[in-house]
Amino acid sequence: GQNIDQPTEMTATEGAIVQINCTYQTSGFNGLFWYQQHAGEAPTFLSYNVLDGLEEKGRFSSFLSRSKGYSYLLLKELQMKDSASYLCAVIDSNYQLIWGAGTKLIIKP
Amino acid sequence: IAGITQAPTSQILAAGRRMTLRCTQDMRHNAMYWYRQDLGLGLRLIHYSNTAGTTGKGEVPDGYSVSRANTDDFPLTLASAVPSQTSVYFCASSETTGSNSPLHFGNGTRLTVT
Repeated sequence: GQNIDQPTEMTATEGAIVQINCTYQTSGFNGLFWYQQHAGEAPTFLSYNVLDGLEEKGRFSSFLSRSKGYSYLLLKELQMKDSASYLCAVIDSNYQLIWGAGTKLIIKP
Repeated sequence: IAGITQAPTSQILAAGRRMTLRCTQDMRHNAMYWYRQDLGLGLRLIHYSNTAGTTGKGEVPDGYSVSRANTDDFPLTLASAVPSQTSVYFCASSETTGSNSPLHFGNGTRLTVT
């Protein structure tokens, strides 16, 4: 079966750095997305990785290792507004999008 | 403002009743999707449409139907609601299917079936 694993919940301190991991086992791979979802709101697109390496976008970076079936989202200089769930999603060989259950990130002052 | 509009925002529905969730996008995206989101589970695809006039079944299609008469609209119908269909429903769109084009989501419909 296809599986995406993310930690259920993480806690971090305002101003710090946090890394949210995502491991996947899917039938093929055609790209990986990260989305942010604030409580009670819609998911919004953060990043897309299809090649190995790090993609940086301001305070957020996303890393991919296809050989390890692994990605992480790195959030720097954490702000209270970063409190949200972060969803990892993989495009499989049939170009279907497989979603992880999401990681709830709690930021403390 | 371009985007996806879902209606209603929330609804309480008696079991056995029929209900249509509405979804409209103004971005001229080819692909549209319906997901349900339940606590502790990832987004699960109900139905999708690669382009106007075509639809397909997702991971959890039973009890739901869709139509795509035009590019902009993609309604989801529950023919006879059951309590297990209590969920938050998200409509989404993307320029194309199965590529790096990200999904744009509506604000969701919170449905409670009693």
